[in-house]
Amino acid sequence: DVKVTQSSRYLVKRTGEKVFLECVQDMDHENMFWYRQDPGLGLRLIYFSYDVKMKEKGDIPEGYSVSREKKERFSLILESASTNQTSMYLCASQRPHLGGNTIYFGEGSWLTVV
Amino acid sequence: ILNVEQSPQSLHVQEGDSTNFTCSFPSSNFYALHWYRWETAKSPEALFVMTLNGDEKKKGRISATLNTKEGYSYLYIKGSQPEDSATYLCAFLSQGAQKLVFGQGTRLTINP
Repeated sequence: DVKVTQSSRYLVKRTGEKVFLECVQDMDHENMFWYRQDPGLGLRLIYFSYDVKMKEKGDIPEGYSVSREKKERFSLILESASTNQTSMYLCASQRPHLGGNTIYFGEGSWLTVV
Repeated sequence: ILNVEQSPQSLHVQEGDSTNFTCSFPSSNFYALHWYRWETAKSPEALFVMTLNGDEKKKGRISATLNTKEGYSYLYIKGSQPEDSATYLCAFLSQGAQKLVFGQGTRLTINP
């Protein structure tokens, strides 16, 4: 079975803290993504990566950065957490040839910033 | 920004009834359409990836159709069961694009 694992399911952080959300996939996929899910807004893409050490901004990159030092791991970083970053974060991976291949998702990380 | 609309936003269906809902997307520069099912407390999982106009795909009691010329896809569930309760997401990819654009989802609740 394919597996995308998000290490933290539920986090509570204080405003201004640096937050790391870790994601690991075991399928040797080149493509990896970070989304956030908010009520009424659907899944919005934060950052994506098509290769090690490569990253591209998605639709809402402000306030976030990412790191992809190894193929299997894609980390989302909140440099200084703010309350408007309280959300559910989903990591995903995919084989190349974007259109024809399904995306595999993790179970999500619920982040509350107080 | 591309617009992908799903309707209705939520739906309550009696167990045993059949139902369907819609995903609308731009009719130009189509490349692919994905459907995902997202059950509460679980990961979204892929249902279908559709790339050809007129395509029809089936997985058990769930099927989907695709009309790229008019820009819509229907998802059908036949004989709904409680385990079908989930949010159903569609995602559109246009030619040359690097990322999928997701709709807001249709939240389906099956009443026993």
